[in-house]
Amino acid sequence: GAGVSQSPRYKVAKRGQDVALRCDPISGHVSLFWYQQALGQGPEFLTYFQNEAQLDKSGLPSDRFFAERPEGSVSTLKIQRTQQEDSAVYLCASSSGAGTEAFFGQGTRLTVV
Amino acid sequence: KQEVTQIPAALSVPEGENLVLNCSFTDSAIYNLQWFRQDPGKGLTSLLLIQSSQREQTSGRLNASLDKSSGRSTLYIAASQPGDSATYLCAVSSNDYKLSFGAGTTVTVRA
Repeated sequence: GAGVSQSPRYKVAKRGQDVALRCDPISGHVSLFWYQQALGQGPEFLTYFQNEAQLDKSGLPSDRFFAERPEGSVSTLKIQRTQQEDSAVYLCASSSGAGTEAFFGQGTRLTVV
Repeated sequence: KQEVTQIPAALSVPEGENLVLNCSFTDSAIYNLQWFRQDPGKGLTSLLLIQSSQREQTSGRLNASLDKSSGRSTLYIAASQPGDSATYLCAVSSNDYKLSFGAGTTVTVRA
């Protein structure tokens, strides 16, 4: 596609629910990233994939957060048993390779009530 | 851990004035630095990417400088327009993938 696409754009979850956020990177981009952005803050790194391999998941806040990219293209960020502190915008980015320009999607705004 | 600071947090200027946005980072051993623009409720749009070996990068009315030794980058926007109103984010990569972001500078250009 023309850019990074994320769905849904908005998600409201009740506390304790599981959610799945989807990211379609730019076609051919081998690198894929997930970031979390709290209101009024800059994005914080969550995890990084190179093709289907998850090379860094050091930013995932807890074991309730899980990300996958099974075929090296589309990625899903899953949050189990959501908590209010998980409310944030989740941004996905992709790039053509290490050290190259990162392109971001529109983000998914998650609100946990 | 890389810490990125952007000052000021907010800036309001009349149309036509030049904008100067500052970014500082604590670890000078960086791979590259990227400036982004974020409009309300939207994702990030990449503006400029400066590799660690470069001193500056230019695109249209935008110019970004990088001084690794002092841990600073500056984004200059010439002849500002109301359409330049947005939040500008600076991001530093200390390896070849992970970006550390500042909190951003919110710019308002008054018509």
